[in-house]
This record gives sequence, structure tokens and C-alpha cells, in this order.
Amino acid sequence: DTGVSQDPRHKITKRGQNVTFRCDPISEHNRLYWYRQTLGQGPEFLTYFQNEAQLEKSRLLSDRFSAERPKGSFSTLEIQRTEQGDSAMYLCASSGNETGELFFGEGSRLTVL
Amino acid sequence: QKEVEQDPGPLSVPEGAIVSLNCTYSNSAFQYFMWYRQYSRKGPELLMYTYSSGNKEDGRFTAQVDKSSKYISLFIRDSQPSDSATYLCAMIGLQGGSEKLVFGKGTKLTVNP
Repeated sequence: DTGVSQDPRHKITKRGQNVTFRCDPISEHNRLYWYRQTLGQGPEFLTYFQNEAQLEKSRLLSDRFSAERPKGSFSTLEIQRTEQGDSAMYLCASSGNETGELFFGEGSRLTVL
Repeated sequence: QKEVEQDPGPLSVPEGAIVSLNCTYSNSAFQYFMWYRQYSRKGPELLMYTYSSGNKEDGRFTAQVDKSSKYISLFIRDSQPSDSATYLCAMIGLQGGSEKLVFGKGTKLTVNP
């Protein structure tokens, strides 16, 4: 399967713990995006990378959130000191151009107890 | 006012019906318009992609963009139970260097056999 893969698919954690999600994009895509989706809402933009450079961050990305894309390949999204409001589906997408044709992974569902 | 407005439904139709899904938007800088389909607990998948105003047809699906009215539509002909999903409109404008794809809330569609 050469699509976008995300790991883990589901994470249950206690409030205050740190969690990290990994995304492996489609290999030839230089753009990688993170979105967050809560029930009944559309995906909300968090951040995006072009190669290894993080070019845009949303105000939703508080200082507890950090994303990296070392070497312009896979990416990680870390949430420190999780809060119940962080419970959501975290979606990763990649693209080979700037015109919005994003290919999404299956998402990583976070439940904070 | 949100940048992209989409009626969340839910919408329930009998098999074979013509379905019309719509979004309005406020940002005149949007240039590329997309429809994504999202099955339950899955990531969104790109369904239709159009640039600027006009129509695009792909099988049973037709996407329409009217930039003068800031209104986009997706029509599904001869709807099938397998079309039951949430449909998300999305759009992007590249002015100012932003590559943020903005989504609507999604419309949940159920096609009854």
C-alpha cells in the first residue's frame, strides 16, 4: 500500500500524559499537512511542511503541540500535557503540489480520559 | 462568519435519487475547489477537483463552481447505498503564500436501498 499511513490508529491516554503520532506520506510528495477533526466538524488545519520546513502553523497549534518532519520524509506530531479537549482525530495528508489535492491517511484517534 | 459554510444535514434519500450538496464561502481569494468523501472513522478521500468557475463531470458526480455567487455544488446522480458517507467541501486560495485547505463542516448523506 503506497498511501499515507498513520500510527497509531487509536491512542487512549490519561490527562497530563504526552502522546506522539507518526505520519508516513506518499513517497514522492514534498508537502505534508496535519489536520484535527472533531465529531460533526470538518478537518481543521494545524500545520504544514514543504520538505523539512514547517511553513505555516495555525493558532490552534498551542505551545503544547509540536510537529517535526526531519529529512523531509515522515512527520511526528507531539502533544504534551494532554487535556480532554485534545480528544479528536488527527489527520495527516500529503500532496505533490500546492493546489489542494491532498491525500489523507486513515487518521489517529486520540481519547484523553 | 465562517470562511466556508456547509449544511451538515443529515440528508436521507432513496436509492436512485439525485442528490445536491452545497457550500457557500466568503473568501474571494479561493481558486481551487474540492469535494472529499469521508466514510465513518476513515480519512477523507478526494472525490472531485475544480479550478475557478465552471462544471466538471466524473461518472455519476458533477461539481459546479459559481465564483460570482461564492457557491459550489456537488450533484450525485442515480445515488447508491455505497454513496452513504459524509461529503466535505474544501477550498484553497494561494494568495499570501498560504497553502491551507479550508473545509466545510461536512454533510452526512444516507442513501436508503
